[in-house]
Amino acid sequence: GAVVSQHPSRVICKSGTSVKIECRSLDFQATTMFWYRQFPKQSLMLMATSNEGSKATYEQGVEKDKFLINHASLTLSTLTVTSAHPEDSSFYICSARDSAGGSTDTQYFGPGTRLTVL
Amino acid sequence: GENVEQHPSTLSVQEGDSAVIKCTYSDSASNYFPWYKQELGKRPQLIIDIRSNVGEKKDQRIAVTLNKTAKHFSLHITETQPEDSAVYFCAATDSWGKLQFGAGTQVVVTP
Repeated sequence: GAVVSQHPSRVICKSGTSVKIECRSLDFQATTMFWYRQFPKQSLMLMATSNEGSKATYEQGVEKDKFLINHASLTLSTLTVTSAHPEDSSFYICSARDSAGGSTDTQYFGPGTRLTVL
Repeated sequence: GENVEQHPSTLSVQEGDSAVIKCTYSDSASNYFPWYKQELGKRPQLIIDIRSNVGEKKDQRIAVTLNKTAKHFSLHITETQPEDSAVYFCAATDSWGKLQFGAGTQVVVTP
């Protein structure tokens, strides 16, 4: 099946620093990737939709200047959390849709990145 | 926008019994309904999905039913095993093709 990787798997940083998270589709091309945030014991909340070659679209309440998204190739999207603060600590998960596959609805999830801001 | 509600929030079953999780959605244009299983600290894994032109789908011990008129869909797990213990999420696509997730169901299968 389709494989999505994420890096790093966990990161601890100081308040005020920026953190970059990478999401890669390993064996398929993805024109669309999604970024989710998941707090403990809660559901996945969509933050933004990342479109290859164009600007990301953000969900209501998500600050685009704080969560920078770059989708420069068909296999890579990055999320940068700028000036991170303790309230940004969360589990960040990306997903990707196979552009060429028979089912363009199916989203394949990365393993997630645990961000802890001290 | 799409609103997905999921019940129950927790479900305890004896090994071998069946488990049923129910979801409702609000957007009549939704046409794709996946179910994900998530173990603690891990990625959500797709276990089964159904599209709006189908009423029921089965894969071994797992089945999903969809009632488009009533806008609800359900996950059925038969002959539950301890390794079925996890959090299960239903989801539905909204009119933009984005997934909206239910709140999740913590399933505990006791031996």
